[in-house]
Amino acid sequence: EADIYQTPRYLVIGTGKKITLECSQTMGHDKMYWYQQDPGMELHLIHYSYGVNSTEKGDLSSESTVSRIRTEHFPLTLESARPSHTSQYLCASSESPPPGQGSEKLFFGSGTQLSVL
Amino acid sequence: KNQVEQSPQSLIILEGKNCTLQCNYTVSPFSNLRWYKQDTGRGPVSLTIMTFSENTKSNGRYTATLDADTKQSSLHITASQLSDSASYICVVSDRGSTLGRLYFGRGTQLTVWP
Repeated sequence: EADIYQTPRYLVIGTGKKITLECSQTMGHDKMYWYQQDPGMELHLIHYSYGVNSTEKGDLSSESTVSRIRTEHFPLTLESARPSHTSQYLCASSESPPPGQGSEKLFFGSGTQLSVL
Repeated sequence: KNQVEQSPQSLIILEGKNCTLQCNYTVSPFSNLRWYKQDTGRGPVSLTIMTFSENTKSNGRYTATLDADTKQSSLHITASQLSDSASYICVVSDRGSTLGRLYFGRGTQLTVWP
């Protein structure tokens, strides 16, 4: 069982509201990620971080922003939500294994289902 | 263009039966291939990770195979259970032991009926 937590699990809000999706992990992983997933579609990377004070945009353009002030915490913020932001948002974390000890594993949180009306 | 294609898109089987899910990829360079299980409304959970040198890997009733020459993988589920109902996602990485760029398939939605 992965120790990575997302809150809230579900969120329904009106257009124009500012929201923050929370993600925390207790595994001490340096690397954290945010993915966006629509029903029946593949996951798309929107943000990632390789450590404190390090954040990068992913492959899919997103109007959201992230911050990494603490290792265990990687929140995602939408300043002004729109219906096009309706989607599932998945947070993940990983850590490079010691040399010769297999491939890096990616652990996902349970996701936040966001609906913007 | 690097892509991961999965088939079938959806599958319905009866409890106790076996099934096989397919994954074809064009990702290059190839590092490893992962299968994940994603229950509805939850995050994906890792089932197997295979490097190019591995032909098969098992995790309980799940057995994954990899043919790096034809760029194909399959996930075989034996003696299916109701709890196997989920989306199964194939993911290909283009880097070494560290997590490189990940290419996700759209998943196969499996439904197991009693």
